[in-house]
Amino acid sequence: SYELTQPPSVSVSPGQTARITCSADALPNQYAYWYQQKPGQAPVLVIYKDTERPSGIPERFSGSSSGTIVTLTISGVQAEDEADYYCQSVDSSATHPSVLFGGGTKLTVL
Amino acid sequence: VQLVESGGGLVQPGGSLRLSCAASGFTFSTYSMNWVRQAPGKGLEWVSYISSSSSTKYYADSVKGRFTISRDNAKKSLYLQMNNLRDEDTAVYYCARDGGGYYLGWGQGTLVTVSA
Repeated sequence: SYELTQPPSVSVSPGQTARITCSADALPNQYAYWYQQKPGQAPVLVIYKDTERPSGIPERFSGSSSGTIVTLTISGVQAEDEADYYCQSVDSSATHPSVLFGGGTKLTVL
Repeated sequence: VQLVESGGGLVQPGGSLRLSCAASGFTFSTYSMNWVRQAPGKGLEWVSYISSSSSTKYYADSVKGRFTISRDNAKKSLYLQMNNLRDEDTAVYYCARDGGGYYLGWGQGTLVTVSA
C-alpha cells in the first residue's frame, strides 16, 4: 500500500491563494478527492476526481494533479474557509481495495 | 441526503457495540455505503465498505475479524457490529454514502469511547 502525505498546516491572509498539496509515494493512477472539515462537523467533499467540483462548492476551490502530487487550491481565501482539509484516494493494489486518507492540513486564515 | 448515526457510547475494552445509520433522501438500496472513523484530534480513517446488495464487503486491516458491516435495504439502514473493542477504536464513527471511491454524503457521527 502507499501513503498520502500532506503538510500539517498552511496559513494565508484573506484574499490570498492557499495551496494544499498531497503527495503519494506511488499513485497507482487513482483519482484524488478533497474534503473540508470544520470543528465539530462532518467532512464535506469539495473536489472529486482530481479536478471536479461538486455542486454548491464555490468556484474558488479547484484541484490539480501532476505526477504523484495533487493540489487543492483555494483562490481568494475567505475567513469561512478556515478548516481542516483531507485528501483521499483508493489503493487497489492490495488483495482488496482500501481507502486512504492523508493526515490532514489545517488551513489558518490570518 | 440525510444520514443519522446512533448506538455510540462508553464500552469497556473487550466489549461490543452495534452502530446504526438511518438513511433518507435518496434511494438507499442503490448505493454502496461505508463507515469512516476519526479518533479525537486525529485524521480520518476508512473502516469498512458494503455494496448495495451486501454481496461485497471490505474492512480495514485494523478492524478485520472484529467488526462486521451489514445493511437492511428495506429499513434503509446500515450497521456496524463491533466486537473485542480496543482503546484505539475510540473515535467518532461516520456513515458515508459511496460515490465510487469517495464519499458524497456523511452523517453527523456517533462517538464510541473504549475505556475501563
